[in-house]
Amino acid sequence: EVQLVESGGGLVKPGGSLRLSCAASGFSFSGYDFNWVRQAPGKGLEWVSCITGSSYLYYADSVRGRFTISRDNAKNSLYLQMNNLRAEDTAFYYCARRDGYNAFDFWGQGTLVTVSS
Amino acid sequence: DIQMTQSPSSVSASVGDRVTITCRASQDIGSWLAWYQQKPGKAPKLLIYVASSLQSGVPSRFSGSRSGADFTLTISSLQPEDFATYYCQQANSFPPWTFGQGTKVEI
Repeated sequence: EVQLVESGGGLVKPGGSLRLSCAASGFSFSGYDFNWVRQAPGKGLEWVSCITGSSYLYYADSVRGRFTISRDNAKNSLYLQMNNLRAEDTAFYYCARRDGYNAFDFWGQGTLVTVSS
Repeated sequence: DIQMTQSPSSVSASVGDRVTITCRASQDIGSWLAWYQQKPGKAPKLLIYVASSLQSGVPSRFSGSRSGADFTLTISSLQPEDFATYYCQQANSFPPWTFGQGTKVEI
């Protein structure tokens, strides 16, 4: 069974840092691209970042220079290092696997990041 | 960036109703469009990919279609478990992947 499980969310002050993790199981992790998608409370979905199977990196303009996506294929894990956090980064963060049709076929349960003083 | 415009933003319906949600892309995306269902407190779930292909395990009352730049998600006979928010996503041009603003299907 494919599973993605996020962790690492929490309350952080503006300007602070947080590292999210996403543990994958049930499939060959190294063969897939992964994304982080976020959702502010009561709002819609916003793509944040992508790392390809070849470790090419992509970012939304709103997080470029502050967030870093990475992966560890040996640990079947995806990460998002978030620095210089702002109030507008407050959201549920989901990791999502991209399938061969550029759709997100599996999602984690999400982890909440709250940026507040 | 490709903008995705969904309509309506919300729809009130009853069990057994036929419900149609539309998504329009700001530029040509071919058939590269996906639909997701999200229930409160849960992650989105993939329903449809490449405009009209049904994801494994998704009930056949869900269908997707394309007419030019307009895409439609249809629920043929609304069931109680279908009350949720639905999002479209363009899967043609990256980065960024972009989503519609969502359509809430409520009683």
